[in-house]
Amino acid sequence: QVQLQESGPGLVKPSETLSLTCTVSGGSISSYYWSWIRQPPGKGLEWIGYIYYSGSTNYNPSLKSRVTISVDTSKNQFSLKLSSVTAADTAVYYCARGLIAAAAEDWGQGTLVTVSS
Amino acid sequence: DIQMTQSPSSLSASVGDRVTITCQASQDISNYLNWYQQKPGKAPKLLIYDASNLETGVPSRFSGSGSGTDFTFTISSLQPEDIATYYCQQYDNLPGTFGQGTKLEIK
Repeated sequence: QVQLQESGPGLVKPSETLSLTCTVSGGSISSYYWSWIRQPPGKGLEWIGYIYYSGSTNYNPSLKSRVTISVDTSKNQFSLKLSSVTAADTAVYYCARGLIAAAAEDWGQGTLVTVSS
Repeated sequence: DIQMTQSPSSLSASVGDRVTITCQASQDISNYLNWYQQKPGKAPKLLIYDASNLETGVPSRFSGSGSGTDFTFTISSLQPEDIATYYCQQYDNLPGTFGQGTKLEIK
């Protein structure tokens, strides 16, 4: 059974870059689409973007100018960078795996990132 | 972006009741729709994929139907452990977009 685990700072200052890593265990990162999805406190879900194991990416247009998703197949990890963050980027960030782009069959437990000075 | 309109936003029902949630897409998405269950403090869990297929290990009281723009999610007999927020999500067009969620409570 594949497991996904997010890691990274829980507090980021405004205007800085949010960086998270998702470590995949119990399966290879080869094949599948690997997504980042976020959820502001008390609100709904927002798909951020995905990377395919080959390295191709697709981002939500609402965040595209600030988002970079990368993959390290040797470490079975993929990562999220979100630049120029504001308080509106405060959310629980989930990594997820899907057989189809933007779908999410398996999820990490999520990590809360707070943007505050 | 495709807009997903989910209703109701909240729902109170009794144990044993049949519960129905609807999701409407702003354009035809064929059957590219998932339903997720999210319990407080937990990650969403996939229940239904491709609009009507039950994910492995999910109880058969959960079901989904629909295609095109109109979709339905049903719990045939509500159980106490079904208390959660439910979301639909389309993945026909990028970005994948979610409904706003339906919070299900026990009456």
